Amino acid sequence: DQQVKQNSPSLSVQEGRISILNCDYTNSMFDYFLWYKKYPAEGPTFLISISSIKDKNEDGRFTVFLNKSAKHLSLHIVPSQPGDSAVYFCAARRAGNMLTFGGGTRLMVKP
Amino acid sequence: GAGVSQTPSNKVTEKGKYVELRCDPISGHTALYWYRQSLGQGPEFLIYFQGTGAADDSGLPNDRFFAVRPEGSVSTLKIQRTERGDSAVYLCASSPDRNTGELFFGEGSRLTVL
Repeated sequence: DQQVKQNSPSLSVQEGRISILNCDYTNSMFDYFLWYKKYPAEGPTFLISISSIKDKNEDGRFTVFLNKSAKHLSLHIVPSQPGDSAVYFCAARRAGNMLTFGGGTRLMVKP
Repeated sequence: GAGVSQTPSNKVTEKGKYVELRCDPISGHTALYWYRQSLGQGPEFLIYFQGTGAADDSGLPNDRFFAVRPEGSVSTLKIQRTERGDSAVYLCASSPDRNTGELFFGEGSRLTVL
């Protein structure tokens, strides 16, 4: 039972353009949604989050959008940079700070 | 250290052996989590400690897996009678406040069971 899904395993974008990563979830009890970024041989690092009572959160080049009725969230990166190339995980939080992760999307930003 | 430290970084063992993986969280973080990441998948929750006690161990796959955090700081994940399917990267994370949603992950311990 995959409660958090990232349907695109990979995404390739030209430097300077927008990257849009998508995530769908099924459990209405999730109260917080987060994006983590992971480089090879490193642990995931927190990128940005959004509360379930909001529909948008912006931090510099990164913006997360939440559509609760569709149980969908997305991460926008603009402009994309080669250093953004990594695997991005969507995560949803339930009680006790326990996160359920999606399968990840590998983003490749080409110079 | 400044971050979450996990040892060993790599462990190769034979089927049936016992394995211990250690996690040293960020100083002062009260919450500690173990996750497992198999190839091509996202991290999968195993167990969560708040202080010394396991607040939720619902993610442990079976009774071969056990974790302790006796003094509320360092934690050890113990796997008995290892199986090839246990091969994965075991990630530890800590958090200063269980309400933030933000976890700080270590680099993981890669376990290979031959």
